Amino acid sequence: NAGVMQNPRHLVRRRGQEARLRCSPMKGHSHVYWYRQLPEEGLKFMVYLQKENIIDESGMPKERFSAEFPKEGPSILRIQQVVRGDSAAYFCASSPGDYNEQFFGPGTRLTVL
Amino acid sequence: QKEVEQDPGPLSVPEGAIVSLNCTYSNSAFQYFMWYRQYSRKGPELLMYTYSSGNKEDGRFTAQVDKSSKYISLFIRDSQPSDSATYLCAPGGSYIPTFGRGTSLIVHP
Repeated sequence: NAGVMQNPRHLVRRRGQEARLRCSPMKGHSHVYWYRQLPEEGLKFMVYLQKENIIDESGMPKERFSAEFPKEGPSILRIQQVVRGDSAAYFCASSPGDYNEQFFGPGTRLTVL
Repeated sequence: QKEVEQDPGPLSVPEGAIVSLNCTYSNSAFQYFMWYRQYSRKGPELLMYTYSSGNKEDGRFTAQVDKSSKYISLFIRDSQPSDSATYLCAPGGSYIPTFGRGTSLIVHP
């Protein structure tokens, strides 16, 4: 019974490159959430998706960031033209529905040089 | 004022102590309350989940919610060094919980 999977676990990019972060939810879960965590800060909500739909992207920067959760395959968080301020841990969580507890993956640690 | 407030600590206790971790919130619309544990460089792990005011117990852990005071607590009995982690409270009123910054707990042998 695999949990939430994220890859890569560590990602290094130079300024201006693109970063793609992947998240496979737990089996049977159709809701995916992305969070960002900076040192000494809490988890900040970015985006909430269901299969083929973005439900809430109120926490995601308007530029350079996008997310998708296709009918088949993992959810992708894409950051274009990365800057040093994008360096953080990005966590994905999944749940079987609304108003339910969320189960987190191990995170992707993005470092922008 | 932040929606969810937690003292970041660190809170250092000896093994076997009873630990009290606390959280206050300002949004009266919050209906459910979660506690997560996060080990260093790992993802948060759900510990407790409750809807109602009062106490909920699970092994050595007890979650206490007082909606009238907007106060949430997590008690850990017989604390162990393996409990050393950051504890995040996460109340919510919709599909997106609001996470506290977390309290760092250190249990020393």
